[in-house]
Amino acid sequence: GAVVSQHPSRVICKSGTSVKIECRSLDFQATTMFWYRQFPKKSLMLMATSNEGSKATYEQGVEKDKFLINHASLTLSTLTVTSAHPEDSSFYICSAPLGGTRYEQYFGPGTRLTVT
Amino acid sequence: GIQVEQSPPDLILQEGANSTLRCNFSDSVNNLQWFHQNPWGQLINLFYIPSGTKQNGRLSATTVATERYSLLYISSSQTTDSGVYFCAYYPNTNAGKSTFGDGTTLTVKP
Repeated sequence: GAVVSQHPSRVICKSGTSVKIECRSLDFQATTMFWYRQFPKKSLMLMATSNEGSKATYEQGVEKDKFLINHASLTLSTLTVTSAHPEDSSFYICSAPLGGTRYEQYFGPGTRLTVT
Repeated sequence: GIQVEQSPPDLILQEGANSTLRCNFSDSVNNLQWFHQNPWGQLINLFYIPSGTKQNGRLSATTVATERYSLLYISSSQTTDSGVYFCAYYPNTNAGKSTFGDGTTLTVKP
């Protein structure tokens, strides 16, 4: 099956600093990737769609200046949480669809961000 | 957009029991996946099943698109089956976004 990796798996940062999370499709190319946020004991909430070579598309209510997304290549998307605050603490998960005629999505293992 | 409802929200089973998890949609869907989120947060693909029935070991899934529901069957449950089970819908385009149900939290007791 397809493999999606995320790095780091866990990060603790101080309030006001920025944190970058990487999402990589290891054995397939992904022109589109998705970033989700999950609160404890809650479902996944789509934050944005990352598009290779163009701007990301953000869901309503998600601050694009707070959550910077860059899709630099067909296998890498990055999410940067800028000027992080404790309320940004969460579990962030990326996904990528196989594409073509296969629509299954594969998810990364997630990144747990704690802002102190 | 399409609404996704999962039931039951919580399920506690004794090891060896069978269970059925349900996913209802507010409209017909053309892409549906079932996932298991393990205790470490990893979402594991169980089935991609826009219609019909699939089986994989002790797990099977059935989607009746015209009646807007999908079922996940777990037979002879094991403690390792514990976790949260999500169904998710997304449209047919690469730029489509997934809509997740709220999940079913399954606890299998030894």
